[in-house]
Amino acid sequence: EDKVVQSPLSLVVHEGDTVTLNCSYEVTNFRSLLWYKQEKKAPTFLFMLTSSGIEKKSGRLSSILDKKELFSILNITATQTGDSAIYLCALDGGSNYKLTFGKGTLLTVNP
Amino acid sequence: EAQVTQNPRYLITVTGKKLTVTCSQNMNHEYMSWYRQDPGLGLRQIYYSMNVEVTDKGDVPEGYKVSRKEKRNFPLILESPSPNQTSLYFCASSFLRSGINYGYTFGSGTRLTVV
Repeated sequence: EDKVVQSPLSLVVHEGDTVTLNCSYEVTNFRSLLWYKQEKKAPTFLFMLTSSGIEKKSGRLSSILDKKELFSILNITATQTGDSAIYLCALDGGSNYKLTFGKGTLLTVNP
Repeated sequence: EAQVTQNPRYLITVTGKKLTVTCSQNMNHEYMSWYRQDPGLGLRQIYYSMNVEVTDKGDVPEGYKVSRKEKRNFPLILESPSPNQTSLYFCASSFLRSGINYGYTFGSGTRLTVV
């Protein structure tokens, strides 16, 4: 069974700090790994990663995948209070296109 | 605007009273799915559908039913709700190609309380 473990479970930082969120996984038939941001309600898509070593970047957020060591990281530089959210890592393990989610990292950015 | 629309947003009901949560998407996606989100357990898949009239169980299907009579709609039915079905529910749809799920678009969620 596919498994996704995120760490830390929660993190409190000050505005301007840089944070790194971790996602490790176990999978039989890797297809892709995705990151989502969940604020008040519905998760919203951030990145989709399929290849090792290729960084995806959007503004202050970036992510990279290591398929050999089975993990991904999400970096946020110069954090802002608007970055406060739960960040979810999800795995497509090829099982009927299901995404298996980690429990998430709750990031709180204080002014 | 491309979106997944869920209704209602909030619902309080009593044990045993049948209810339906509606879900509709306007992106012509083949794949649709229902998840529930609970503290400490994360998002877990209830049911999914690969296309019209094609549905199957996810990880936590007990107590739920679904149907997919039209491509755009995928309602979630609780025939006899119980308090352990109190949760935050999300409908999602996604674009598939060449064996890859290109990521879910989620509805806004339905906060269900069963008393």
